[in-house]
Amino acid sequence: EAQVTQNPRYLITVTGKKLTVTCSQNMNHEYMSWYRQDPGLGLRQIYYSMNVEVTDKGDVPEGYKVSRKEKRNFPLILESPSPNQTSLYFCASSLRWAGTDTQYFGPGTRLTVL
Amino acid sequence: AQKITQTQPGMFVQEKEAVTLDCTYDTSDPSYGLFWYKQPSSGEMIFLIYQGSYDQQNATEGRYSLNFQKARKSANLVISASQLGDSAMYFCAMREGGGATNKLIFGTGTLLAVQP
Repeated sequence: EAQVTQNPRYLITVTGKKLTVTCSQNMNHEYMSWYRQDPGLGLRQIYYSMNVEVTDKGDVPEGYKVSRKEKRNFPLILESPSPNQTSLYFCASSLRWAGTDTQYFGPGTRLTVL
Repeated sequence: AQKITQTQPGMFVQEKEAVTLDCTYDTSDPSYGLFWYKQPSSGEMIFLIYQGSYDQQNATEGRYSLNFQKARKSANLVISASQLGDSAMYFCAMREGGGATNKLIFGTGTLLAVQP
């Protein structure tokens, strides 16, 4: 089944404890992206990647890192999480990056930073 | 300026009736895609339907259809024969062809409640 998977689905952690949210897609997509969703602010892009070893900042990259060593994986790293990073996180992928390419989303990761 | 506008924060519809969720957009890029996503209370973001800016016909996908009026810059979602399971938040989104990040730009969403 074609899908985007994320792990973990739920995570409660404490300030400053490094964490990684994994994202994997099995559709051979070139473009991958991370979004966060917050009440009243909608979905905002954190980072994106157009291909292996090609990543760039989105609208809200502060406090996050990403890597794209393999085409299928695009982990999101929080080196020193803070409470303002409590949010619902989505990984998404699309075949390429054209305006007409549909982005498919993972199931989301609910992160709480205490 | 907001690029995607959804003016209906919430809507009610009776089961088995049709409902239209409004969406207007703003872009100067001639190549773009318009998307509708459904987000149930469980939180996942489910792709429903897509309309390309050069598509001549309105998109349809089962009970979902997209009423695309390019000159008016509107892309309304029509759900026919509503079901209880359609109760969710619905987001209209746009992806521009020439954007640097090619991200999805989302509207604020419409919360649909289907009543029995």
